[in-house]
Amino acid sequence: GNSVTQMEGPVTLSEEAFLTINCTYTATGYPSLFWYVQYPGEGLQLLLKATKADDKGSNKGFEATYRKETTSFHLEKGSVQVSDSAVYFCALSGGNAGKSTFGDGTTLTVKP
Amino acid sequence: DTGVSQDPRHKITKRGQNVTFRCDPISEHNRLYWYRQTLGQGPEFLTYFQNEAQLEKSRLLSDRFSAERPKGSFSTLEIQRTEQGDSAMYLCASSKQPGNQETQYFGPGTRLLVL
Repeated sequence: GNSVTQMEGPVTLSEEAFLTINCTYTATGYPSLFWYVQYPGEGLQLLLKATKADDKGSNKGFEATYRKETTSFHLEKGSVQVSDSAVYFCALSGGNAGKSTFGDGTTLTVKP
Repeated sequence: DTGVSQDPRHKITKRGQNVTFRCDPISEHNRLYWYRQTLGQGPEFLTYFQNEAQLEKSRLLSDRFSAERPKGSFSTLEIQRTEQGDSAMYLCASSKQPGNQETQYFGPGTRLLVL
């Protein structure tokens, strides 16, 4: 079946540091890939997505590139802010059903 | 577009009681999903509807769980004879298919605590 593996957290960075959160996946076919963010006490918000190999999703300074050869979708940001502190989930959606498979999340804390 | 809404946001109940949650999807979204999220884990798929038809159920959905979407709009998730292991965040999501079918929009969730 489908699965998503995220780098374990928590991750603590200083403001303006570079962020990478690793995500690799296992899936049949050609899934779509997503990063969601969850702020304390809130639901999941879609951060970015990519629907085919070599696509780059980007939003709010975050980027991730769909790498089919390495089955990866790593999240990056060049300069994090305190307001980026949240839990980040990598997910995939494959086939016609559209249901998503999530990683376990990575908690990011950015200190001023 | 007011987003996906869920009610209640929090529910505390005693073991053995029945609980029901409601989800209102984004209007015109024909797909509706239920997920469960426990502390430190990602959401796990429970079931989904296309319009009023329930098309798939996870094996996580025991016979104590039932979901409905009677008119293809809002959905309810009922848990009968709750157990402490049912304590979790229950998330609802909706999407529009065909079109941008892979993008699901999530509600704020209902946090259930079973004492």
